[in-house]
Amino acid sequence: DAKTTQPTSMDCAEGRAANLPCNHSTISGNEYVYWYRQIHSQGPQYIIHGLKNNETNEMASLIITEDRKSSTLILPHATLRDTAVYYCIVRDSGGSNYKLTFGKGTLLTVNP
Amino acid sequence: EPEVTQTPSHQVTQMGQEVILRCVPISNHLYFYWYRQILGQKVEFLVSFYNNEISEKSEIFDDQFSVERPDGSNFTLKIRSTKLEDSAMYFCASSLIASYGEQYFGPGTRLTVT
Repeated sequence: DAKTTQPTSMDCAEGRAANLPCNHSTISGNEYVYWYRQIHSQGPQYIIHGLKNNETNEMASLIITEDRKSSTLILPHATLRDTAVYYCIVRDSGGSNYKLTFGKGTLLTVNP
Repeated sequence: EPEVTQTPSHQVTQMGQEVILRCVPISNHLYFYWYRQILGQKVEFLVSFYNNEISEKSEIFDDQFSVERPDGSNFTLKIRSTKLEDSAMYFCASSLIASYGEQYFGPGTRLTVT
């Protein structure tokens, strides 16, 4: 089953930073942390991924703790369009692993 | 920006009928996937496909399911004899790299089996 734990839901005010936590205490050395989101009934959308260093792209920042047992996805200035279910996924980088295993994710609601 | 497309957006079929769901992955991608999401449930992996063969499949992907890349652009999922429990959103995805590459998803096909 999913190797991550996320809160079921979170609220955020529009324009503020949204910080979404994820616990992955059993992560192993060759597993990456991925974040996807799913806006209502649409296909999942890739956001960002990382191994151990913090990562930033045009959508978000990913902060991974030094022991790699948890991470935080940061949306710096949340908008109403960021309301979605956010999935934290741990995935082996080994050559025979192709699938993404989705959990229930966190429903982020951005309020005006 | 290149994107994965899927047709049709909604398919209604009767139990026992065959359906084919179609996908056009991103053009330079090499790995292709199907996932499904039953209403209110998690997104579930069905199958991955590379170099004209299945590279991984889940327990859901039984003999009723098959995948094909009939030409250089399309990727299809066939369900031979649909059941009521096959009703779901079916998402196609593609990636350039398998093991640590990001997967890009299409908008999905809603399959309703009556």
